[in-house]
Amino acid sequence: AQKVTQAQTEISVVEKEDVTLDCVYETRDTTYYLFWYKQPPSGELVFLIRRNSFDEQNEISGRYSWNFQKSTSSFNFTITASQVVDSAVYFCALSEKMVGAGNNRKLIWGLGTSLAVNP
Amino acid sequence: EAGVTQFPSHSVIEKGQTVTLRCDPISGHDNLYWYRRVMGKEIKFLLHFVKESKQDESGMPNNRFLAERTGGTYSTLKVQPAELEDSGVYFCASSHGTGVDTQYFGPGTRLTVL
Repeated sequence: AQKVTQAQTEISVVEKEDVTLDCVYETRDTTYYLFWYKQPPSGELVFLIRRNSFDEQNEISGRYSWNFQKSTSSFNFTITASQVVDSAVYFCALSEKMVGAGNNRKLIWGLGTSLAVNP
Repeated sequence: EAGVTQFPSHSVIEKGQTVTLRCDPISGHDNLYWYRRVMGKEIKFLLHFVKESKQDESGMPNNRFLAERTGGTYSTLKVQPAELEDSGVYFCASSHGTGVDTQYFGPGTRLTVL
């Protein structure tokens, strides 16, 4: 079955520390997509990144970086030099094919990791 | 460009009452999804529309839930009659076309059933 595990429920760091959020997934699909979303205190889910299973290159966007490793079924997210504004719940998600929906896919979610960055 | 909007942001109702949640997707997005997060659990898929057609409603909990998307624009999700276990945050998302488009989410509606 498709599954996403975010083992870290809560993480607390001090500003400027680096922090890595873990994501491990299970899938029987040969082609799949992985996502990270951020949920700030305001509640909306903000898209951060999408990665397909054919592209194992690491991605860097400012202070954010993602490490995708198919061999360990992991898609970890690192925030470098964390800031208070990074405080949020971060979700990892995996695409799954839907019944009768052509190429459209639904998302299978992890439980999320609540990150608190303290001044 | 306006994002996905949802109304209301919060609803508190008594068990047995009816509630209707509304989602307005990003303009031009054919795909519309509903998800739900019950406290302490993962966000779970409910159903998917392509324009006005339901494509996959395998995640709908039971027949007390009815989703519509008349005209292929906004969507409503009605819960009738509401039960205590329906409490949670209901998220709506939209995406542009076919394939694995990125889903953009609204702020969610927090439903509390007392």
